[in-house]
Amino acid sequence: DTGVSQDPRHKITKRGQNVTFRCDPISEHNRLYWYRQTLGQGPEFLTYFQNEAQLEKSRLLSDRFSAERPKGSFSTLEIQRTEQGDSAMYLCASSTRGTRFGGYEQYFGPGTRLTVT
Amino acid sequence: GNSVTQMEGPVTLSEEAFLTINCTYTATGYPSLFWYVQYPGEGLQLLLKATKADDKGSNKGFEATYRKETTSFHLEKGSVQVSDSAVYFCALSLIIQGAQKLVFGQGTRLTINP
Repeated sequence: DTGVSQDPRHKITKRGQNVTFRCDPISEHNRLYWYRQTLGQGPEFLTYFQNEAQLEKSRLLSDRFSAERPKGSFSTLEIQRTEQGDSAMYLCASSTRGTRFGGYEQYFGPGTRLTVT
Repeated sequence: GNSVTQMEGPVTLSEEAFLTINCTYTATGYPSLFWYVQYPGEGLQLLLKATKADDKGSNKGFEATYRKETTSFHLEKGSVQVSDSAVYFCALSLIIQGAQKLVFGQGTRLTINP
């Protein structure tokens, strides 16, 4: 297995356009996470899937953002009517089910860097 | 709320120097603690972790001990190498409504000069 993959790696778009990113998790991982990382900051949690169910969404995820994980495999993150403030690195991570102490690790993909002009 | 505060960077050291990157946290529950590393042009990689108080995580010569009394998880390495140049992120995780959320610090950029 080659790990978590994301596509595209880079995306430049004009303000107002829609963009969609894809994440392919490690095949046996049933949990998938999206994070956003702006320059000079640590990643911030956006949303979480367990299998195909989206169980948690951050307040950071405005109505212009939507994420899906059909069939509990790959996931897509769509941003509608992009704004310059959406420019960031979008990271995907996956994990297996862990203990109730939360000690299992999340494996991160390389990220998609979005630039909105 | 839940938060992580890291030592501000950038940090520049000479090869073979001793490294400490400070990390303190605030959490409402009993978090697990992690250090992730991001090498230039690559994704985040888990460096080490500790799941309960007094646990010591270690990997590649790096160590960090979960100190509940001081709410800290400082990263140390006895002798750094040029290849350790990267951005280091301290993070905590809590199970909230069934999701393991990672809360990251702002990152510390480390540069090691030969």
